[in-house]
Amino acid sequence: DQQVKQNSPSLSVQEGRISILNCDYTNSMFDYFLWYKKYPAEGPTFLISISSIKDKNEDGRFTVFLNKSAKHLSLHIVPSQPGDSAVYFCAASGSEKLVFGKGTKLTVNP
Amino acid sequence: GAVVSQHPSRVICKSGTSVKIECRSLDFQATTMFWYRQFPKKSLMLMATSNEGSKATYEQGVEKDKFLINHASLTLSTLTVTSAHPEDSSFYICSANVRSAPALNEQFFGPGTRLTVL
Repeated sequence: DQQVKQNSPSLSVQEGRISILNCDYTNSMFDYFLWYKKYPAEGPTFLISISSIKDKNEDGRFTVFLNKSAKHLSLHIVPSQPGDSAVYFCAASGSEKLVFGKGTKLTVNP
Repeated sequence: GAVVSQHPSRVICKSGTSVKIECRSLDFQATTMFWYRQFPKKSLMLMATSNEGSKATYEQGVEKDKFLINHASLTLSTLTVTSAHPEDSSFYICSANVRSAPALNEQFFGPGTRLTVL
């Protein structure tokens, strides 16, 4: 049973445009959500997070939106840059443990 | 800050041998360390949660006698893959919680270890 789902395995956008990565979860006990960026053969690096008491968190080009009623969150990257090309994992937590989605591979074309 | 290192970054071993992977928090004390495994094009799968000075808690389906975890100090956890087989070949990643961080959920990841069992 997949508690965190990233239904799009890949996404391709043009440089300068917006990238929107989506994530859905099923466990209503999750109260903290994170986005990680991962390059091949490297560990994930933390990007941005959001607590369930908020519906938006912004950090530079990255914004995470949380819709608790829909159990949905999204990561917006504006403007997208070629260096953003990587696999993005959504993760959720209701304790110390993180539950990861399968990731979405983002390709930003110059 | 919050740097996590892993050693080795890559290891190739023969079937039947044991391999030890080290995970260190370099500039902070880790309340808890986690070990993940990632298969190609798959998500990160949590294998076990490791607390300093106590036995690791393994996720369902993970053989604790095969994947030995030792959390010797607040900055070091080791994963030993015993009697490795080709199906154990994978990318192993550790992470650590910052002891003093207000959000215990924020984990900092090591760079990973690529294990290939011949």
